[in-house]
Amino acid sequence: DAGVIQSPRHEVTEMGQEVTLRCKPISGHDYLFWYRQTMMRGLELLIYFNNNVPIDDSGMPEDRFSAKMPNASFSTLKIQPSEPRDSAVYFCASSPWTSGVSYNEQFFGPGTRLTVL
Amino acid sequence: DQQVKQNSPSLSVQEGRISILNCDYTNSMFDYFLWYKKYPAEGPTFLISISSIKDKNEDGRFTVFLNKSAKHLSLHIVPSQPGDSAVYFCAASASDYKLSFGAGTTVTVRA
Repeated sequence: DAGVIQSPRHEVTEMGQEVTLRCKPISGHDYLFWYRQTMMRGLELLIYFNNNVPIDDSGMPEDRFSAKMPNASFSTLKIQPSEPRDSAVYFCASSPWTSGVSYNEQFFGPGTRLTVL
Repeated sequence: DQQVKQNSPSLSVQEGRISILNCDYTNSMFDYFLWYKKYPAEGPTFLISISSIKDKNEDGRFTVFLNKSAKHLSLHIVPSQPGDSAVYFCAASASDYKLSFGAGTTVTVRA
């Protein structure tokens, strides 16, 4: 398996522009997570999906951020309009569901480094 | 509010010696704890975990200890090797498939 795939790996944009980050989870995984990593706050969970349905978006910083999962093999995180403080590394992760266990390992993609000028 | 805290941003250790990484948490609902390792330009990868019903879990050179009364866990790496140089994240879950991460500790293993 190729693992979690994210694109692009790097994105440089100007303030005010729309940014779309993409993620392909591991096939068969039921959960998909979006995280943001910054020096100040470390790794923060933004939103997660179960079977393509958003379950918890309490970590999404503001209305400028939105995430979708139109099918089991694809998700997007969109920022519109982007601001310099959105500069960070954004990770996507996926996880299987197993009956009878309260937690399963999350598998992370390589991340997208976003720079907003 | 950070529910998982790693108060040491960095750790330098000589090859062959023990590395001890510490993590504190505030949420008493956390029942599963994990350590992830991250190399530059890569995503975090799972290293070792422990359930709240245990106080120790060992996997090769890596051992995680959990002290529930103190809301504290630690990761021991013995012996430390150059390939262990990375950022280590402590994470916790409250049986809801969400992970709360600490800010990370950068470990440097000196030859």
